[in-house]
Amino acid sequence: DAKTTQPPSMDCAEGRAANLPCNHSTISGNEYVYWYRQIHSQGPQYIIHGLKNNETNEMASLIITEDRKSSTLILPHATLRDTAVYYCIVRAINNDMRFGAGTRLTVKP
Amino acid sequence: DSGVTQTPKHLITATGQRVTLRCSPRSGDLSVYWYQQSLDQGLQFLIHYYNGEERAKGNILERFSAQQFPDLHSELNLSSLELGDSALYFCASSVARTSNEQFFGPGTRLTVL
Repeated sequence: DAKTTQPPSMDCAEGRAANLPCNHSTISGNEYVYWYRQIHSQGPQYIIHGLKNNETNEMASLIITEDRKSSTLILPHATLRDTAVYYCIVRAINNDMRFGAGTRLTVKP
Repeated sequence: DSGVTQTPKHLITATGQRVTLRCSPRSGDLSVYWYQQSLDQGLQFLIHYYNGEERAKGNILERFSAQQFPDLHSELNLSSLELGDSALYFCASSVARTSNEQFFGPGTRLTVL
């Protein structure tokens, strides 16, 4: 699976959009981009995934660049409860999930 | 609540001992995954079972073993425990052999003294 690069930490003001970037320049054509988050020491939680088109659900939006070498997870109106470590994972559907270090997002009042 | 249950929540034991961690997947899920999360290694994939059969292995030590039973619950056995095995152990489940979404349990915190 392709390797991902994420900033180690980011801050966001409560109520503003949080934009979390992820670089995956070696992504293959059959690999999807997944985002999970982990709040404190709880089990990770699935957020969203996509292949090449932008995706949106009740939690977030995923923007994938046309060349698929990077993506951005957008939390449209961040709340204090969105403070967590966010993991960007690239994998083919038949492969297992391999987590990196992620981005520690802190939402500040 | 993801629907995945793990027992026990906390476990304290001594070096050299053996422990068993238990996971019950969500109703209807056939896949079970085990992960280890330590401070220095992050979240590491250990092993994946699908419908009772081992499907994939990750960074699982030979001292560790797992199995999935006919009722689909799974157990992770850790033996000859070392201080470095202290970690959070998560179980996750998904409905199919390959799924987009995995549902994680609350974890078992293992402390080896």
